[in-house]
Amino acid sequence: DTGVSQDPRHKITKRGQNVTFRCDPISEHNRLYWYRQTLGQGPEFLTYFQNEAQLEKSRLLSDRFSAERPKGSFSTLEIQRTEQGDSAMYLCASSPLAGGPHEQFFGPGTRLTVL
Amino acid sequence: GQNIDQPTEMTATEGAIVQINCTYQTSGFNGLFWYQQHAGEAPTFLSYNVLDGLEEKGRFSSFLSRSKGYSYLLLKELQMKDSASYLCAVDMDTGRRALTFGSGTRLQVQP
Repeated sequence: DTGVSQDPRHKITKRGQNVTFRCDPISEHNRLYWYRQTLGQGPEFLTYFQNEAQLEKSRLLSDRFSAERPKGSFSTLEIQRTEQGDSAMYLCASSPLAGGPHEQFFGPGTRLTVL
Repeated sequence: GQNIDQPTEMTATEGAIVQINCTYQTSGFNGLFWYQQHAGEAPTFLSYNVLDGLEEKGRFSSFLSRSKGYSYLLLKELQMKDSASYLCAVDMDTGRRALTFGSGTRLQVQP
């Protein structure tokens, strides 16, 4: 399978716990995005990497959130001290750097439930 | 602020044609995308418009008018499997190319 993969697909945690999600983009894609989607809404941009550099973070990304892409390949998104409001689908997407506009390819998402 | 508006829900009949509208007011514009999202699944790319006019791809077509801040997605010969949410998204920034999404239109196709 050469698409974007995410792990885990589902995560249930208790309020206050830390969670970490992983995204493996399409191998030749330099750009990697994290989005958050709540029920009945479209995805909201969280952060963007170009290779290993995190070039932008949304104001939605509070201090409890951190993302890394250490070798410019896979990425992790960590949420510390989770809150019930963090319950959402976390989507990862990738696209190539070069050439004209390209659609973003989305992974299946990690659904987080904070109890 | 950024505004991307779509109807919340639509219902159509199998075999018919449906048009899903999207209006946008954004600080920048580098193209408009339509994505399909089935419940519990990832969005999948349908179409991209950056110039005014109609782009046709099989049963799906997408139209853009930049001067009016308006796009529509046209689905022909509806099938039951077309029941899904349809997301309109604008690329506002040539640099990062992150997308700003509307809330989506949930389409229900009935027999």
